[in-house]
Order: sequence, then C-alpha cells, then structure tokens
Amino acid sequence: AQKITQTQPGMFVQEKEAVTLDCTYDTSDPSYGLFWYKQPSSGEMIFLIYQGSYDQQNATEGRYSLNFQKARKSANLVISASQLGDSAMYFCAMREASSGGYNKLIFGAGTRLAVHP
Amino acid sequence: DAGITQSPRHKVTETGTPVTLRCHQTENHRYMYWYRQDPGHGLRLIHYSYGVKDTDKGEVSDGYSVSRSKTEDFLLTLESATSSQTSVYFCAIREDTDEKLFFGSGTQLSVL
Repeated sequence: AQKITQTQPGMFVQEKEAVTLDCTYDTSDPSYGLFWYKQPSSGEMIFLIYQGSYDQQNATEGRYSLNFQKARKSANLVISASQLGDSAMYFCAMREASSGGYNKLIFGAGTRLAVHP
Repeated sequence: DAGITQSPRHKVTETGTPVTLRCHQTENHRYMYWYRQDPGHGLRLIHYSYGVKDTDKGEVSDGYSVSRSKTEDFLLTLESATSSQTSVYFCAIREDTDEKLFFGSGTQLSVL
C-alpha cells in the first residue's frame, strides 16, 4: 500500500537558519509526484513545491527546495534562511498510483515547525 | 489566488441531522476534491469529481455523498451526521494541465 511518513511531529529552528523536514514514501509505481504544503495557524493549505519521479533535478521554489533521493524514497523539504512566518504545519503528499489523471493525493501526518527569533 | 470558496466556514450540528457543505469555484476547473483533516492523519480524500455528474469515492467516503450539477459547485452531504465526522473539511480544485491542487479555506464542522 502507498504511504507517506513524516517522522518529526515537531521541529524548531532559529531564525535565518536552514531546516530540513523529513518525508519518506512507499510506492511500487514508477510514476509518481511528490508535494509539500504549508498550513499556517490561519488554517489554509498553501502549495509550496512539486517533484515528479522522472525529474532529473531537485525542485526549487525560492527558499524552498526538495531533496529528492529516489533510491531512499525520501523527499525532504529544505527551507533556507528561516523566517518567523515559516512557523506552520508542513505536509508532504504523494500522488496516488491509481490516480490516472485525477491526482488523488495521499498526505502524511505533518510536521509542526516553530521558528524562534 | 485560486477562486475557491467554501461555505459555511464554521458549523455546529447535532448527531443525526443532515449537513451540506458547499464548494464554489470561479476558475472553471473540471477537477474538484473533498478532503477531511484530522489530527495525526493529515488530509484524507472523501470524494472527487471530474466535471458535471462525474464523481467517485475516495479513501474515507462512508457516510458522505456528493453532487456536482454545475462545473463551479461541488457539494458534500453528510446524510446523518455522527460525532466521528467532526473535522475540518477542505475542498480543492485542479487545472487539467497542472499537478498541484489549490485548496479552499476549509469548513470546521462540529457534530455534537
């Protein structure tokens, strides 16, 4: 069965430091997609970054990068130069293998990040 | 921002009553989804849709039904609400050529 695992329930980081949020996944499908979403205390879900399983380069979006290690089945989110506004819940998600074109996402349980001044 | 609106934002209801949550989009996207969020589970898919009258069940569909009579509206109905359906409900939309889902602001539902 496909699964997303986020082993860190909570993390904290000093402002301006970099932080890595872990995500491992399990799938037997060679074609899949990996996503990270941010959920601040206000509750909305904000898309951060996407990595396709066939993408050769690690995805980057501004201060966010995805450390994609296919053999290890990991898709860690790296946030560089943390800011106070980065304090939020972060979810890793994977496109279900049986999705076809529907992009049904499976989510991990999330990691709560606290950025300290 | 994606034009997606969920209503109501908050609702308190009693066990056994029917409840309908509405998701409205102005983007004319065919893909729409309903997820629920519970502590320790992340988000789990309830139902999804690809256009008018094209809907299917997700991982946690028991106790829920959906309807999509117009492209812009995706309704989620709890026929007889139970306390286990207390949750935050998110609607999401996706453009055909895009991988990512855009989420609405969520509906906090409490079933007493």
